[in-house]
Amino acid sequence: QKEVEQDPGPLSVPEGAIVSLNCTYSNSAFQYFMWYRQYSRKGPELLMYTYSSGNKEDGRFTAQVDKSSKYISLFIRDSQPSDSATYLCAMTIRSNDYKLSFGAGTTVTVRA
Amino acid sequence: KAGVTQTPRYLIKTRGQQVTLSCSPISGHRSVSWYQQTPGQGLQFLFEYFSETQRNKGNFPGRFSGRQFSNSRSEMNVSTLELGDSALYLCASSFGPQGEQYFGPGTRLTVT
Repeated sequence: QKEVEQDPGPLSVPEGAIVSLNCTYSNSAFQYFMWYRQYSRKGPELLMYTYSSGNKEDGRFTAQVDKSSKYISLFIRDSQPSDSATYLCAMTIRSNDYKLSFGAGTTVTVRA
Repeated sequence: KAGVTQTPRYLIKTRGQQVTLSCSPISGHRSVSWYQQTPGQGLQFLFEYFSETQRNKGNFPGRFSGRQFSNSRSEMNVSTLELGDSALYLCASSFGPQGEQYFGPGTRLTVT
């Protein structure tokens, strides 16, 4: 079993819909959680960084962490075709531990 | 501020050869991490360097090695290439105590 599980999708939604992405993890030592967006043939781009249970908002993006359930989520409101990409969750044990464990990535397509 | 740069962007090598990839981090960043991304295994951590010292290493064979120079630029080397080494090799740099990592565009290595 992988340390970080993420449904690879693909996920297809109409423009304006809410996109819901999630990851589960087995290592309770993970304390810092990230979401990256990766466009085709590009490197991952950091979207959100959280380290406490609860919600964190940044524009149309909301990251949610539930450490008791070992479950993290990313919500994208008012989705746009430009949001079409692969979304990867990542996590690490300490803030200065740069060894990230990644989920498999979920491919999202937003239809115009 | 310039992002993480990686050279070359594309590379084709033959089995048994060796290859060296280069990464220049964001100015001021002292940590450089390397990842391998393949369709089957996703993003996997190779190693991390901080101030010219390897701080973390993933589960890859000794054919994979790296180093960091005093200006924080980093190189990774793969010797005796195998077909399975075909992948996108990503470099990420970090600075702050919160550990956010910023990725470069990657080097796509094809081994024939």
